[in-house]
Amino acid sequence: AQSVTQLDSQVPVFEEAPVELRCNYSSSVSVYLFWYVQYPNQGLQLLLKYLSGSTLVKGINGFEAEFNKSQTSFHLRKPSVHISDTAEYFCAVSALDNNDMRFGAGTRLTVKP
Amino acid sequence: EAQVTQNPRYLITVTGKKLTVTCSQNMNHEYMSWYRQDPGLGLRQIYYSMNVEVTDKGDVPEGYKVSRKEKRNFPLILESPSPNQTSLYFCASRRPGQPQHFGDGTRLSIL
Repeated sequence: AQSVTQLDSQVPVFEEAPVELRCNYSSSVSVYLFWYVQYPNQGLQLLLKYLSGSTLVKGINGFEAEFNKSQTSFHLRKPSVHISDTAEYFCAVSALDNNDMRFGAGTRLTVKP
Repeated sequence: EAQVTQNPRYLITVTGKKLTVTCSQNMNHEYMSWYRQDPGLGLRQIYYSMNVEVTDKGDVPEGYKVSRKEKRNFPLILESPSPNQTSLYFCASRRPGQPQHFGDGTRLSIL
C-alpha cells in the first residue's frame, strides 16, 4: 500500500511571503497525487491534482505543486500568501487501479499580518 | 447539484448503542470511501469500495462495518460504539483515477 508523509505539522508565515508545504510519498506502483485544503470548520476542497503529463501542476487560489518521481515528492508552493490562506492542507496519494487513497497527517498553515 | 450527502451531521450517543451514518452520492461514482479525521493524524481510511458488493478494509477498520448494496449508498455502521470512536467522519466518492468528492462530515461524540 502507499503512504504519505507531510514533513511539517505547522508552518507559520507572514502575509505576502512565499510558502512551501512538503509532501513525500511511498509506493511500489505508479500513483496519482492530490492536495486538499480544509478551512476552519469546513470540509475538504481539492486544490490540485497530478494524474499524468507535466510535472508542474497549477491549482486554485494561486497554488502549484511539482511532482518529482526520483525524490517521491509532491511539494505545494505559493509565491505570495494571503491571510485567507490560513487553513490545513492535506497531501494524498492513490494507486492507479484501486480506491485505496491515503492522506498525510496535514500541515497547518498560519498566515500572519 | 453533484454532491455527497451524509447524515446525521452531528450525533451524541452512548457507548454500546448501535448507530449508522448514511452516505449517498448522486454522481454515479464507482468508488466510495469512509475516513475519520482526528487532530494530528489527518484523515485515515476506514473502509473503501470499488463497486457494488465490493468492499475493502482501510487503515483503521476495527469497530466499523460497511455495506454497498447499491451504487449510490455506502452506510457506515458502528455496532457497539466506544469513546475512542469519537471523531469527525467523512464519506467520499470518485471515479477511478479522479479526486475524491467529500461530504460535509459527521461529528460523532460517544460518551
